Amino acid sequence: DTGVSQNPRHKITKRGQNVTFRCDPISEHNRLYWYRQTLGQGPEFLTYFQNEAQLEKSRLLSDRFSAERPKGSFSTLEIQRTEQGDSAMYLCASSHETSGTRGYTFGSGTRLTVV
Amino acid sequence: AQSVTQLDSQVPVFEEAPVELRCNYSSSVSVYLFWYVQYPNQGLQLLLKYLSGSTLVESINGFEAEFNKSQTSFHLRKPSVHISDTAEYFCAVRSTGTASKLTFGTGTRLQVTL
Repeated sequence: DTGVSQNPRHKITKRGQNVTFRCDPISEHNRLYWYRQTLGQGPEFLTYFQNEAQLEKSRLLSDRFSAERPKGSFSTLEIQRTEQGDSAMYLCASSHETSGTRGYTFGSGTRLTVV
Repeated sequence: AQSVTQLDSQVPVFEEAPVELRCNYSSSVSVYLFWYVQYPNQGLQLLLKYLSGSTLVESINGFEAEFNKSQTSFHLRKPSVHISDTAEYFCAVRSTGTASKLTFGTGTRLQVTL
C-alpha cells in the first residue's frame, strides 16, 4: 500500500491555459474525493466519486472544472482557462464506503500557481 | 449542512507547555468529528476521531480531544508539546448518514518554540 499518490506535486501555468492533475487512490478504496485548499483556509470539498460514478459536486466546481474517474481507479481533475483565483493546493483523498468512519487518506496534494 | 469554527488561527506555545486548540461545530444532524494535522507541503493526516461511545478520544502521540455535545465542541489538547508538534491542525465534521464529505475548519497553526 503506497498511499494516495498525486501528480504533479507542483504546477505553474499561465492564465488561460488548461491544466490536468492526476490522483491514484489506495487500490482497495472505492471512494475518491477532491478538495481545494487556499492559503490560510481549510480544505474545501469539490467533488467525490464512488467507483466511477460522480455522486456529488460542490458549487465551487464551476463549469471550467471537470473531474473523471473512468474505470473507478485513478481520477483526473482538469481546469480549463485557468484564472489567478484557481491558485491553490488541490488535495485528493480516498476511502472505502465500509470504512469511511476511519477518515480519509489524503495525498500530498498538487500545488497550482497561475501567473 | 455543517460548519466548523476554529477561533484561533495561531497558537504560540513553549515546548513542554500544555496546549488546547479549540473547535466548535454546527450541525442539524448527528456528526462524526475529526482532527487532522498538516505538516508543511504535505497532505493531511488523521490525528484522532470521535464516532461514538466515550467522549474522550486519544491519539498515539499524546493528543486527546473531548466531544461535548451540549457545547458542540471538540477541543484538542496535549499536556506537554514538542517542537515536532509544530504544524497546522484542522478540525472536521461529517454527518453520520450516507453522505461522506468532510467539512473543515480554517485551521489553527500551532507554533512550538524553545
